[in-house]
Amino acid sequence: SQQGEEDPQALSIQEGENATMNCSYKTSINNLQWYRQNSGRGLVHLILIRSNEREKHSGRLRVTLDTSKKSSSLLITASRAADTASYFCATDGNYGQNFVFGPGTRLSVLP
Amino acid sequence: KAGVTQTPRYLIKTRGQQVTLSCSPISGHRSVSWYQQTPGQGLQFLFEYFSETQRNKGNFPGRFSGRQFSNSRSEMNVSTLELGDSALYLCASSLEAGLDYEQYFGPGTRLTVT
Repeated sequence: SQQGEEDPQALSIQEGENATMNCSYKTSINNLQWYRQNSGRGLVHLILIRSNEREKHSGRLRVTLDTSKKSSSLLITASRAADTASYFCATDGNYGQNFVFGPGTRLSVLP
Repeated sequence: KAGVTQTPRYLIKTRGQQVTLSCSPISGHRSVSWYQQTPGQGLQFLFEYFSETQRNKGNFPGRFSGRQFSNSRSEMNVSTLELGDSALYLCASSLEAGLDYEQYFGPGTRLTVT
């Protein structure tokens, strides 16, 4: 598996529901970032969480980090059709040399 | 502030040719990174430039090269194009070098090699 690997690969929910996607990684990290990519706005940074943080919020987004399990989760509450996108986690786990992106979770929010 | 801009947005080239892609970072950003995105391999790091110096390089052949100018603008070059080089090439800028800063991505250049 890759350094950052999202799960599930694809997720389909109804508008208004919550969406949770997970990211697992293999080596220790200093920080982990979540990005969103859709055809309209390209790849956009969502949240950066550092290794000494356990949880961060930004609007309807909540990110948790569990360094003991080497995993992170991204929760989107009250999802909207505009949240339809691919979501990637990126870690600095390549000995801090560069970001490593996971393959992404494709989220579809149905109206 | 204007975002990261990349030119051209679309490009069609023939095998064996070479191509140069351009990236203008957000004003004040000094680090520029390049990524290749394909359906099969996902987002893969190509290289990072800071203060006109290449800081890191991903696992790509020497046909892939880049440079950064004094105004932080960056170019990447791919020589002797292969069909497998068809991809979306993304440029990202950040305030400083290193991985503590969020990256701002451009819209990408869609390269098709025939």
